[in-house]
This record gives sequence, C-alpha cells and structure tokens, in this order.
Amino acid sequence: GNSVTQMEGPVTLSEEAFLTINCTYTATGYPSLFWYVQYPGEGLQLLLKATKADDKGSNKGFEATYRKETTSFHLEKGSVQVSDSAVYFCALSDTGFQKLVFGTGTRLLVSP
Amino acid sequence: GAVVSQHPSWVICKSGTSVKIECRSLDFQATTMFWYRQFPKQSLMLMATSNEGSKATYEQGVEKDKFLINHASLTLSTLTVTSAHPEDSSFYICSASTDEPVSAFFGQGTRLTVV
Repeated sequence: GNSVTQMEGPVTLSEEAFLTINCTYTATGYPSLFWYVQYPGEGLQLLLKATKADDKGSNKGFEATYRKETTSFHLEKGSVQVSDSAVYFCALSDTGFQKLVFGTGTRLLVSP
Repeated sequence: GAVVSQHPSWVICKSGTSVKIECRSLDFQATTMFWYRQFPKQSLMLMATSNEGSKATYEQGVEKDKFLINHASLTLSTLTVTSAHPEDSSFYICSASTDEPVSAFFGQGTRLTVV
C-alpha cells in the first residue's frame, strides 16, 4: 500500500538557516504529493503540492520538487524565520485530496 | 482560506462513556468530510470518509459501531466514540473537502483522553 516516510524531529535551527526536511514515499501509480503545516493550536494547512513528476510546488519561500526517480518530495527553505516553527507533514494521495496518506510529521523549532 | 472548526479541542472522559466530536465547515459547504486519528509519534491515519446524507465508509480495521459518524448537513459531521476505553485515547482530526477548487481543509484536532 501507499506510505510516506519523513525524517524524525525535532529539527532545531537558528533564524536564517537553510532548511531541508526529507520525505520519501511508496505508492502504486502516480500520486499527488503535499506538504502540510500545523502551527500551534491550529489545524493543518496546505503549504504546497505537486501533482506530477518534476513539478515544483512553492509557497511562502518553501519549495519541494516531485522526484519520481528517487520517490522523494523534500521540503526546503533558504532562510527560515522564527514564525516557521511548526509541525510539517508530508502526504500523498492517488485520488486528489481524498484519502490522504500522511507521514509522521516533523517538528521544526527556529530560534532567534 | 476556508475554515474548519473542530470542537472540543480536548476532552477527558471516564472509561465506558461516550464522547462526541463536532467538525464544522464555517464558510463553505463540504462535499466530503474525513476523520483521522493520530497516535503519538505516528502518522495521521484515515478512519472514515463521510458524505452528507449517506453512511460513512470506514477504513479497514476501524470499528464502525465504536466510532459512529453522522454527516447530517453539508457543514457538519460528528464523530462519536462509544463506550470509550483508555486505548481510544488519541488525537482526532477532521477535514472537509471541496470540489471547486479541489482542496481539503483541516480542523485543529481534538485530544481525547480516556481515564
């Protein structure tokens, strides 16, 4: 079945550092890939998505590229801010936004 | 963006009692709502999919008599954990999806503790 593996956290960075959160997936077919972010006390919010191989999703300075050859969708940001502290979830779906399969989440802590 | 409100945010109940969790789409009509469960340090696991006016579709291994889902309107779905036991303690999250544009919006989650 489909599954998502993402790096365990917490990831602790200083402000303006470079961020990478790794995500790899296993799926039959060609799923859509997502990154969701959950800020403290709030629901998950869609951060970015990619629907086919080599697509790059981007939003708020975050980027992730759908790599079919390595079955990966790593999240990157060039310069993190304290306000980026949150839990980040990688997810996939082979039915649009239906039946999302999530990774375990990675907590990011950014200090000033 | 669209808002999904989940209530309560946390609840503590005694073993053997039932707990109802509400999920409301505040500013849009949701064609489908989903219920997820998350154990500590584990993924969100889809429990069931519900469409307004019809019976929920449960994922394999989820007891439908244990986790009752009612989707009475396009803006409200409820999950009732019946005869709760300590092993039901978990974080429950709902999401609501739209067809146009295709997207999904999540509630803030409910932490259930059964003592």
